[in-house]
Amino acid sequence: KNQVEQSPQSLIILEGKNCTLQCNYTVSPFSNLRWYKQDTGRGPVSLTIMTFSENTKSNGRYTATLDADTKQSSLHITASQLSDSASYICVVSDRGSTLGRLYFGRGTQLTVWP
Amino acid sequence: EADIYQTPRYLVIGTGKKITLECSQTMGHDKMYWYQQDPGMELHLIHYSYGVNSTEKGDLSSESTVSRIRTEHFPLTLESARPSHTSQYLCASSETKTSGGNNEQFFGPGTRLTVL
Repeated sequence: KNQVEQSPQSLIILEGKNCTLQCNYTVSPFSNLRWYKQDTGRGPVSLTIMTFSENTKSNGRYTATLDADTKQSSLHITASQLSDSASYICVVSDRGSTLGRLYFGRGTQLTVWP
Repeated sequence: EADIYQTPRYLVIGTGKKITLECSQTMGHDKMYWYQQDPGMELHLIHYSYGVNSTEKGDLSSESTVSRIRTEHFPLTLESARPSHTSQYLCASSETKTSGGNNEQFFGPGTRLTVL
């Protein structure tokens, strides 16, 4: 069964600190993995995309890693800001269908305190 | 900022009412999707469309229906709303590429539906 598991479920950090969010998946055949940021009451917005051959990608203060062998990904946030408070969702796409089916994790709810 | 819009953003209605959630995109994307999301849970695909006059049911069974008469418009209708339909509904779209599965889905802001 194709699944995406994220940890921790929630996280509270102080402004300026770093944090790392984890994602494990069993989706096969694998196409790509995206990290989305979802602000409260808004739709998800893509932060990074990684394909099978990529093992790290950065977008400003966000750095994603991918280990396709162990089927694990992480999202590292550097020097957190209050605006980073959101749900971060790991989304894995398979290449076994013309739809490009997406498998969503439940997200990590990050709260940044001043 | 993605050009995909949903209305209304919030809706509170009584049981038995018929409702239509609107979704429009101005990016010319062929594929469109409806997801249902409950607090703390993953998004579940309830409907999708490959293009005009194409509609398919997703993974999660839903009593809602959709239509795709125009490329840019993908409304979702509930004929008789019930409290169990209370949820957040997210619309998304993506373009069709000839190869690979890297098509990003762009999401609308969502409609928060509450059925009393």
